[in-house]
Amino acid sequence: QKEVEQDPGPLSVPEGAIVSLNCTYSNSAFQYFMWYRQYSRKGPELLMYTYSSGNKEDGRFTAQVDKSSKYISLFIRDSQPSDSATYLCAMITTDSWGKFQFGAGTQVVVTP
Amino acid sequence: DSGVTQTPKHLITATGQRVTLRCSPRSGDLSVYWYQQSLDQGLQFLIQYYNGEERAKGNILERFSAQQFPDLHSELNLSSLELGDSALYFCASKRGAPNTGELFFGEGSRLTVL
Repeated sequence: QKEVEQDPGPLSVPEGAIVSLNCTYSNSAFQYFMWYRQYSRKGPELLMYTYSSGNKEDGRFTAQVDKSSKYISLFIRDSQPSDSATYLCAMITTDSWGKFQFGAGTQVVVTP
Repeated sequence: DSGVTQTPKHLITATGQRVTLRCSPRSGDLSVYWYQQSLDQGLQFLIQYYNGEERAKGNILERFSAQQFPDLHSELNLSSLELGDSALYFCASKRGAPNTGELFFGEGSRLTVL
């Protein structure tokens, strides 16, 4: 079983819809959580960084963390065709040297 | 622009050859990570450095090696190249303690082995 599970998609939504992405994890040592956006063959771009359980909002993006369920989500409101990309969740442990673990990424397609 | 600089952006070489990929982390970042991403694959962790010292290794092949220099830039050396080594190689850097903080990625070096 992978430490981080993420549905690869593709997830296709019409322009203006809400995009809902999620990851589950098995290692309770993960304490910091991130979401990245990666356009084709480009470097991953950090979108959201959260620590505690709860919600964090930044513009059209909302990140949710539920540590009790080991479940994190990213919501994109008013989706645009420019949001079409692969979204990766990532998390890091708080042991000495911080193990990063990435999800496989979900491909999102926003159709005009 | 993440502030992480990778060179070269593109590299085409032949099997059996050796290449060096270079990474300049963001100013002040002590941690450098290297990742490999093959076509339509996820990010595969290769190796992590913190302030010049190797701190963690992933599935890095013995033909690959890396180091972080006193000025904190890092190099990834790939030798005896095989067709399967064709991939995007990303460098990422992070500020602060190794177990906290956001990871910022460069734009990658695209390696094609013919």
